[in-house]
Order: sequence, then structure tokens, then C-alpha cells
Amino acid sequence: NAGVTQTPKFRILKIGQSMTLQCTQDMNHNYMYWYRQDPGMGLKLIYYSVGAGITDKGEVPNGYNVSRSTTEDFPLRLELAAPSQTSVYFCASKADTIEQYFGPGTRLTVT
Amino acid sequence: QKEVEQDPGPLSVPEGAIVSLNCTYSNSAFQYFMWYRQYSRKGPELLMYTYSSGNKEDGRFTAQVDKSSKYISLFIRDSQPSDSATYLCAMTNNAGNMLTFGGGTRLMVKP
Repeated sequence: NAGVTQTPKFRILKIGQSMTLQCTQDMNHNYMYWYRQDPGMGLKLIYYSVGAGITDKGEVPNGYNVSRSTTEDFPLRLELAAPSQTSVYFCASKADTIEQYFGPGTRLTVT
Repeated sequence: QKEVEQDPGPLSVPEGAIVSLNCTYSNSAFQYFMWYRQYSRKGPELLMYTYSSGNKEDGRFTAQVDKSSKYISLFIRDSQPSDSATYLCAMTNNAGNMLTFGGGTRLMVKP
């Protein structure tokens, strides 16, 4: 199993551009999550999904959108990128247990 | 005031030392308490978790929860250079719900 994979690993965006961060898991997990991690701030939840076709907002959803058309994929869309969205983005998934499995992250810089 | 507080460190100890990492929290509804380890430029991975108050031991690691004081700890015995990482505490009120993370403590174990 590859676990949780994320692409791209790194990206530099100009202000106002858009992009999609990809996340795929091969563990047949129902729950999927998107977090952002800023230095010294821990992880903050952006969006989450409890199954295909179901998504909900987390703590910091503004400026982002998600969709969940399949169990495996949970892409995160940034529209009109702003410098405040410079961060490291982590995708995670879990089954009906406590443990979340994290991907390797995407480092995004908006200039 | 943050919902979960964690000293950012860095904490530097010699190899073989006993390490104590701590978090305080304000939400009395939290029931599950987790410790994640995050190596540099990697995603977090779950070390261990406890439900409600009490202790849990796993090899060199011991997690303690004191709900009356809203205080949790992770002890690492016989610390190794490979333990050098950022340790994140995380909490939730039930297994299916959103996690609230502390900011992480950076630990350096020197040979």
C-alpha cells in the first residue's frame, strides 16, 4: 500500500492564481481531511469528508474548496491565492478508528 | 487563549535522558488524547493515544492524562538521537470528530 499520497510536493504561486492540491489514499478509508501547518501553530483543519459525496468545513475553510467524488480522492482547490495561504498542506485519512494517516505534505508559497 | 497549549521548545537533551513533553487544554469535553511525532519535512505519525484519564505505556514511551488538571504528558525513557523530531499533542471529544492540535514541541537528542 502506498498509503496517502499528495502532489505536488512543492509549488510557488503568484497572488491571484489558482491551483488544486491532489490527495489519494489506497486504504479504502471513509474519512479524509485537509490541514494546513504554519510554523509553531500546529495543524488546523481546513475541510473534511466522512465519505464520498460528503464534505464539511473545518476551522479555517475560507479561500478553499473541496470535492469528494470517490473514496480514494480528496482534492483541495485554492482560488485566488493570497500570501496568507503560504503554508504546508497535509492530507490525512482514517477508517472507523482513532488513527489518522498523513501524507507527506505540499509546501506552497504564494508571492 | 489557544484551546491546546504546548511549549514550542526546542528541548535539547543528551542521549539516554528521560524526556517529558506536556500539553495543557481548556475544553473539558476532550476524551481522546493523542501524541503524534513529526520528522522534519514529513507528515505526522501517531505514536500513541489514551482515552480519558490514566497512563498508557508502549516500549520507551508513556502517555499520561490528568483530566482534573487538563494536563497531558508524554515521557520518553532512554532517549535516542532518532527520537529527534517535533511532538504534537492532539485531542478530540469523540473518535469520529475533528482533532485539535497543539503547536508542537521540537525535541533534539544529542549523541
